[in-house]
Amino acid sequence: GAGVSQSPSNKVTEKGKDVELRCDPISGHTALYWYRQSLGQGLEFLIYFQGNSAPDKSGLPSDRFSAERTGGSVSTLTIQRTQQEDSAVYLCASSSRGRLETQYFGPGTRLLVL
Amino acid sequence: AQSVSQHNHHVILSEAASLELGCNYSYGGTVNLFWYVQYPGQHLQLLLKYFSGDPLVKGIKGFEAEFIKSKFSFNLRKPSVQWSDTAEYFCAVNAGNSGGYQKVTFGTGTKLQVIP
Repeated sequence: GAGVSQSPSNKVTEKGKDVELRCDPISGHTALYWYRQSLGQGLEFLIYFQGNSAPDKSGLPSDRFSAERTGGSVSTLTIQRTQQEDSAVYLCASSSRGRLETQYFGPGTRLLVL
Repeated sequence: AQSVSQHNHHVILSEAASLELGCNYSYGGTVNLFWYVQYPGQHLQLLLKYFSGDPLVKGIKGFEAEFIKSKFSFNLRKPSVQWSDTAEYFCAVNAGNSGGYQKVTFGTGTKLQVIP
């Protein structure tokens, strides 16, 4: 079985442009998470999808950030009007139903905003 | 709201030294606890987890962690580190309510550097 995949693996963009990052979770996993990993900042929670429930958006740093999950599977994280401080590695993880909630992480998308 | 603290941001050890990485959480109820590891150039992956039962949990590669409820701690230990243990280690907590659909909160990570 395939693991979590993310695309693109690297993205270089100019300040002010919009970017879309994609995550394909493990098939059958109902929970999907987005995190941001910045140098010296550790792992920062962004958003959490669980089944058909309303997503937990409490970690999104500004209204320039949004995410959707279509059909309970693929998710897209969109950053509008990118800023240099958005440069980071964006990680996606998925997990199956259950209390143990072991997360399986993708390789990440490294975003560089010039 | 649950939170996780990892007090050591960067640890440098010589090979064969013993390791203990601190992790404290704040949540008054039942918790599930995890340690994840990210080796250089690799994905984050699960090292070990505690759900219930024996508070001393054994993980991969000789790692173990002990859940001490009274101290709200879940410290990671290894008796003798190897150069290959050089990585970043993340502690995480998930409130153990029924239903299981709970957000996992991660600590900020501890970078371990093992010197040959």
